[in-house]
Amino acid sequence: GAGVSQSPSNKVTEKGKDVELRCDPISGHTALYWYRQRLGQGLEFLIYFQGNSAPDKSGLPSDRFSAERTGESVSTLTIQRTQQEDSAVYLCASSLQGFSEAFFGQGTRLTVV
Amino acid sequence: GDSVTQMEGPVTLSEEAFLTINCTYTATGYPSLFWYVQYPGEGLQLLLKATKADDKGSNKGFEATYRKETTSFHLEKGSVQVSDSAVYFCALKDSSYKLIFGSGTRLLVRP
Repeated sequence: GAGVSQSPSNKVTEKGKDVELRCDPISGHTALYWYRQRLGQGLEFLIYFQGNSAPDKSGLPSDRFSAERTGESVSTLTIQRTQQEDSAVYLCASSLQGFSEAFFGQGTRLTVV
Repeated sequence: GDSVTQMEGPVTLSEEAFLTINCTYTATGYPSLFWYVQYPGEGLQLLLKATKADDKGSNKGFEATYRKETTSFHLEKGSVQVSDSAVYFCALKDSSYKLIFGSGTRLLVRP
C-alpha cells in the first residue's frame, strides 16, 4: 500500500495477556518509529529503528515492552503481561533516511480489561 | 537531551481570528522542524516543515518560520476556520534523526 499500515486497528485483551502490534512501513523508508498516545495526551516516544543500526530503545517504559524490525520492513511491538495502564493508541511512523518527514499509520487502539 | 515545548491549550478562538501557537525547541546541531495536526478521530498528518534556519514552511494557510536565534517555530494562520479545530503538535528531528514531539496544543474554533 501507499501508506503506513498498522494492524490490528483495535485490540481488546485481558490483563496479563501478551499482545503483538504490527506495523508495515512505506516501502523504501529506512526509519521506523513507535509512539504511545494515551487518551487526550501527547505522543510518548517508545523506540526508533534506523536501517541496520542498533535501535534507540530509550523510550520503552518497562521490560514488558519490546520491538523488532525485520531489515527495513515490518516491525512488531510486543507487550507482555499487559496492564490496564497500557491502554492507549500505539502509533507507528516511517520516514526516508535523514531529516525527512515521518508518515504515520492510523494506530492500534489497545484496551486492557 | 533534545526537547520541544509548546504553549498549553486549549486555545479557543472565534472564526476568522488570528492564530499563533508557540513552539520552542532545545537541540544540539541543526534539527529539522515540523508541525503535525490531528483532527478529531483521525491520525497524525504532516502540516508543514522547515529544514534550515530562516526557512518558512506553509500549507493550508498555516505558516511557521525556523528561527535559530530564538530557537522557535511558531505556527500562525491569519484567519482560522471551524474546520481548523484539531490538536497541533510541534516536532523536531535531531542529528540522530530521532523524531521528538511537543505535548500538543488543542485548538477550538467557534463559529
